[in-house]
Amino acid sequence: GAGVSQSPRYKVAKRGQDVALRCDPISGHVSLFWYQQALGQGPEFLTYFQNEAQLDKSGLPSDRFFAERPEGSVSTLKIQRTQQEDSAVYLCASSLTTGRHQPQHFGDGTRLSIL
Amino acid sequence: TQLLEQSPQFLSIQEGENLTVYCNSSSVFSSLQWYRQEPGEGPVLLVTVVTGGEVKKLKRLTFQFGDARKDSSLHITAAQPGDTGLYLCAGARIGGSEKLVFGKGTKLTVNP
Repeated sequence: GAGVSQSPRYKVAKRGQDVALRCDPISGHVSLFWYQQALGQGPEFLTYFQNEAQLDKSGLPSDRFFAERPEGSVSTLKIQRTQQEDSAVYLCASSLTTGRHQPQHFGDGTRLSIL
Repeated sequence: TQLLEQSPQFLSIQEGENLTVYCNSSSVFSSLQWYRQEPGEGPVLLVTVVTGGEVKKLKRLTFQFGDARKDSSLHITAAQPGDTGLYLCAGARIGGSEKLVFGKGTKLTVNP
């Protein structure tokens, strides 16, 4: 497809389980971002990659959150020992080049529910 | 404290009415973007404003960036039911990385 693809679309896990969320950015896009969107809120920044380099991970809530983009394309966001407060929609976005004015193209997100 | 404050949080109007949504901050941004998000989908970019005082029009939507680059507004003329959605403003801070800071959004409902 032409857009950003995220999988799975929905994920239900029990508290304490580990989960992995996948993002396929638009082909050739250099920058990749992860955001967390709680119900009724705007997205909040988690982390950012330029190709395979993770340049900013200041938004990751704890060391239970880990993201990687080993070959500069697909990215995975992993959450270990999930907790109920991790329930949210996780959005991935990509942009063609670097630069603060570049439009970010968002996927439809993964809705994570922790029971 | 929210870096970008959007108002109103909720807005319900009749088809054909005009409306304005505001996005305010005490911080200066290098650019502000407006997105629209529908339930179950990701945000879709509407416009990016870069220059202080800039006005951009997109059909019935008019976007303005404040002179001091701390605030922005979105005005919709003759709203239609298809305009219903969550409108988000987002900014890239001066001196910051490329990450976007988002407001909480304005949930707009246009009734036929």
